Amino acid sequence: GIQVEQSPPDLILQEGANSTLRCNFSDSVNNLQWFHQNPWGQLINLFYIPSGTKQNGRLSATTVATERYSLLYISSSQTTDSGVYFCAVDLYGNNRLAFGKGNQVVVIP
Amino acid sequence: DSGVTQTPKHLITATGQRVTLRCSPRSGDLSVYWYQQSLDQGLQFLIQYYNGEERAKGNILERFSAQQFPDLHSELNLSSLELGDSALYFCASSASGGQGGSVYGYTFGSGTRLTVV
Repeated sequence: GIQVEQSPPDLILQEGANSTLRCNFSDSVNNLQWFHQNPWGQLINLFYIPSGTKQNGRLSATTVATERYSLLYISSSQTTDSGVYFCAVDLYGNNRLAFGKGNQVVVIP
Repeated sequence: DSGVTQTPKHLITATGQRVTLRCSPRSGDLSVYWYQQSLDQGLQFLIQYYNGEERAKGNILERFSAQQFPDLHSELNLSSLELGDSALYFCASSASGGQGGSVYGYTFGSGTRLTVV
């Protein structure tokens, strides 16, 4: 099946710092989404981004489908950005997602 | 509030027992998906229903089953529970469920944390 690899697995940031999370996938995909799982376990949909670049406040994402990777940028990080960021891909356009193992991010004040 | 409602939020039960997890999708969404999140397996797709019919199966054990009712809510039944079934179970919904996907992706509920003791 499709492989979804995220790096780095763990990241500790000082509040105010910027960071980049990476997601590599092994096959062409129809859909790619980024989610944030907060410390209470809730999964929040950040971006639906099968290709191109999108921005939402301090977060932005870029997917280069031809090279099979996506990047999530966090700028001016805040403690509320702590949690696990998941990349998930939809191989067949049917909304069944395959998740990576996540990037654990801790933002310290 | 994401619009996807899962109950209960927490469940503690003994090995060998059977439990039912419930999910109400976001208004207007026809597809319901169940995912399991465990420490060793990560987030895994279990099963999908679309407008009352099973659409796809993932890594779902035979001890587990699901259904989607005419009002579109869904239930995930877990039986003969084992310690290894302890996990966070998520439900998600989307407007579509077939080819073409949903333009906005889909939305997760808050999950049911199952602990088997």
